[in-house]
Amino acid sequence: ETGVTQSPTHLIKTRGQQVTLRCSSQSGHNTVSWYQQALGQGPQFIFQYYREEENGRGNFPPRFSGLQFPNYSSELNVNALELDDSALYLCASKRGLEETQYFGPGTRLLVL
Amino acid sequence: SQQGEEDPQALSIQEGENATMNCSYKTSINNLQWYRQNSGRGLVHLILIRSNEREKHSGRLRVTLDTSKKSSSLLITASRAADTASYFCATVPSGSARQLTFGSGTQLTVLP
Repeated sequence: ETGVTQSPTHLIKTRGQQVTLRCSSQSGHNTVSWYQQALGQGPQFIFQYYREEENGRGNFPPRFSGLQFPNYSSELNVNALELDDSALYLCASKRGLEETQYFGPGTRLLVL
Repeated sequence: SQQGEEDPQALSIQEGENATMNCSYKTSINNLQWYRQNSGRGLVHLILIRSNEREKHSGRLRVTLDTSKKSSSLLITASRAADTASYFCATVPSGSARQLTFGSGTQLTVLP
């Protein structure tokens, strides 16, 4: 167990809708990252938050946005869902500049 | 985009045999990490090797790193059926905000 939880575990949405995915990190983990993993691929970095500020972003459009809260929880929001957004979404957390990230079990999103 | 590639894409061995997976990457790195993923769930951190290290051991795992060839290998000795999973290498590129850049993974199947 990594101490990182995600909700919901599965979600089905239709194209054009909006979705919010949630992540709860271990106490003291002030850095959270979100990754998208398409079927059969490795995870791709979406963005990272440190102390509630975005401090790194991958090659994802602005309709992917996030929030990090003082209680070590965070959200990933995706607007105007597209079919290609269907994937496993993983959050990972760590303390500051530590190198090891701890992953949650993921939320599997299906966009129809 | 993926930073690197794992080789082979799939590997099937008998219990008790050794499994070797290779990873190549493209840019200079701070460190390289190996993760394991069971059936599309969350990733579990296995081992981290820094750019100034050449070899590292953890239990039945042995990792090597050759920065001149931009490659790494993961050896699992005396494999067990429970080692069946996908294995990913992930790099932290030099100068990045410490996000992980993953390869495409090796699917390992250990037959009892």
